[in-house]
Amino acid sequence: ETGVTQTPRHLVMGMTNKKSLKCEQHLGHNAMYWYKQSAKKPLELMFVYSLEERVENNSVPSRFSPECPNSSHLFLHLHTLQPEDSALYLCASSQETALYNEQFFGPGTRLTVL
Amino acid sequence: LAKTTQPISMDSYEGQEVNITCSHNNIATNDYITWYQQFPSQGPRFIIQGYKTKVTNEVASLFIPADRKSSTLSLPRVSLSDTAVYYCLVGLYNFNKFYFGSGTKLNVKP
Repeated sequence: ETGVTQTPRHLVMGMTNKKSLKCEQHLGHNAMYWYKQSAKKPLELMFVYSLEERVENNSVPSRFSPECPNSSHLFLHLHTLQPEDSALYLCASSQETALYNEQFFGPGTRLTVL
Repeated sequence: LAKTTQPISMDSYEGQEVNITCSHNNIATNDYITWYQQFPSQGPRFIIQGYKTKVTNEVASLFIPADRKSSTLSLPRVSLSDTAVYYCLVGLYNFNKFYFGSGTKLNVKP
């Protein structure tokens, strides 16, 4: 257990569906992240939040919409996804957003888009 | 952010010491060097971090030469459970170029 939980662990959705991924951290951290890991591809940083403010958006398509209502919760809202969006989506948190801060990762959500 | 280069894969046997070297020729003065470990279908896990010389913790050592253009993660007496992908990251604040890269897939054999 890393102190970061993600739900659901597995999700299958159609291209016209709308779903949300949830992440919660119990570590009192100020920064939270969404990553995407596709098969045989490097881990890609998608979004960075610091104290509920988005500080980074790495050219992610608008069909992915993050939300950070407080420093403990992070959501990733999904709509009209494509099959190539199938991947493992990982949430992480750290004390602050500086890269020397250790990031604690959740177990991930395995997403399949049909 | 300094780009890193690591071997794609390495093989080892149980009980051996494994050294994984990462090249980061463009490392900036304030950049830290961080290593993560990732098992299949799990999120990465922090292993060790350093700025210069040598750092040791309960699971690994990190060797950084004076020019800091490379670093070596040393895993003493590996076991089958150390089979994983190991990532080297270099940086401080710049998320614009923050990426884990392909990592080094370590395969430990009995």
